[in-house]
Amino acid sequence: RKEVEQDPGPFNVPEGATVAFNCTYSNSASQSFFWYRQDCRKEPKLLMSVYSSGNEDGRFTAQLNRASQYISLLIRDSKLSDSATYLCVVSYTGGFKTIFGAGTRLFVKA
Amino acid sequence: EPEVTQTPSHQVTQMGQEVILRCVPISNHLYFYWYRQILGQKVEFLVSFYNNEISEKSEIFDDQFSVERPDGSNFTLKIRSTKLEDSAMYFCASSSLRLDTEAFFGQGTRLTVV
Repeated sequence: RKEVEQDPGPFNVPEGATVAFNCTYSNSASQSFFWYRQDCRKEPKLLMSVYSSGNEDGRFTAQLNRASQYISLLIRDSKLSDSATYLCVVSYTGGFKTIFGAGTRLFVKA
Repeated sequence: EPEVTQTPSHQVTQMGQEVILRCVPISNHLYFYWYRQILGQKVEFLVSFYNNEISEKSEIFDDQFSVERPDGSNFTLKIRSTKLEDSAMYFCASSSLRLDTEAFFGQGTRLTVV
């Protein structure tokens, strides 16, 4: 089983749509969870950290279920500029080791 | 806004040659990382570095790889004898804390081994 597994994608959605990404992780000792965004041929950039209580940042909502070892990202009212690859990221050993999922590609169409 | 800078942006090297990839992390950060991303594949953790020593390394980070912080600003990744399969984008990252904190990535060095 892969350490961090994401929806394969790609997701093709119209502007204004709501889209949800899922991610599962296999290491129960995982301590920190993040969603990063990566544009084509660019470096990853943090979208948001993910907490057990769930957290929201504008149109983006992230959820963590430690019991199921599951992370989600919800994007509401999709914009053209949301088109990117979304990376689920898990870290452990006190944050020293970070594992990236393979990413889910999102295309938002006008 | 402070940023992580990497040089060079693109390096072409002959198989078997040594390469050094350079990074200048954000100045008040304490934790440093190298990742690689083979074209079309996922970002892979290589190594983390704190307090002048390696904290964690992956299976990829074998004896051909080494890291160094030679002075107060630079953080380098050395590949001793490059192989074709080392061709990838190499990202340096730094963070001020470990847990629940953003790691800032540099723009990457594209390494091409021919």
